[in-house]
Amino acid sequence: DAGVTQSPTHLIKTRGQQVTLRCSPKSGHDTVSWYQQALGQGPQFIFQYYEEEERQRGNFPDRFSGHQFPNYSSELNVNALLLGDSALYLCASSLSLRMDIQYFGAGTRLSVL
Amino acid sequence: RKEVEQDPGPFNVPEGATVAFNCTYSNSASQSFFWYRQDCRKEPKLLMSVYSSGNEDGRFTAQLNRASQYISLLIRDSKLSDSATYLCVVKTRGMNRDDKIIFGKGTRLHILP
Repeated sequence: DAGVTQSPTHLIKTRGQQVTLRCSPKSGHDTVSWYQQALGQGPQFIFQYYEEEERQRGNFPDRFSGHQFPNYSSELNVNALLLGDSALYLCASSLSLRMDIQYFGAGTRLSVL
Repeated sequence: RKEVEQDPGPFNVPEGATVAFNCTYSNSASQSFFWYRQDCRKEPKLLMSVYSSGNEDGRFTAQLNRASQYISLLIRDSKLSDSATYLCVVKTRGMNRDDKIIFGKGTRLHILP
């Protein structure tokens, strides 16, 4: 039973570039949530996807966008990267919009230079 | 006041000792509470849910005090493998009846041999 998988594991970009991160949810899960975790901080909710739609969003600018595909996998896109976007980006999957029981992927560590 | 606050630590505790973490939350309408564990450079993993009556799982005991709006985690007979960051997580029902998940910054625990 495959857990949540994310790719790539590490990424280095420069300011102003764009990045796409990918997530495959745990088998049987249909909901994907994305989080940003800066060093020394707890994860911060970016947005949640269910039935290929963004269902709710945290306090992140429009530079952060996403997509969910029919197979429930998801992408997180960040445009016009800033130094402050350097963080661990975590994907969590769950069932039917639930957020109490979530399984996290190992994350993508993004460094913006 | 932050929505979820934790002692940042680090807590440096000798092996075999008992350690307790506290977490306070600001929204009295919060519904569900959890403790997650995050090892260095890894993803968060659910440690235990926190129930009103308190709950125990082996060496771990979680308690909730709704009147004072805090939750606690007690670890007895600590092991070297308990070294990690412990994240307090609070779930609240939002205005649109969506679940809102807030993570604390985490408390770092070092168990000393």
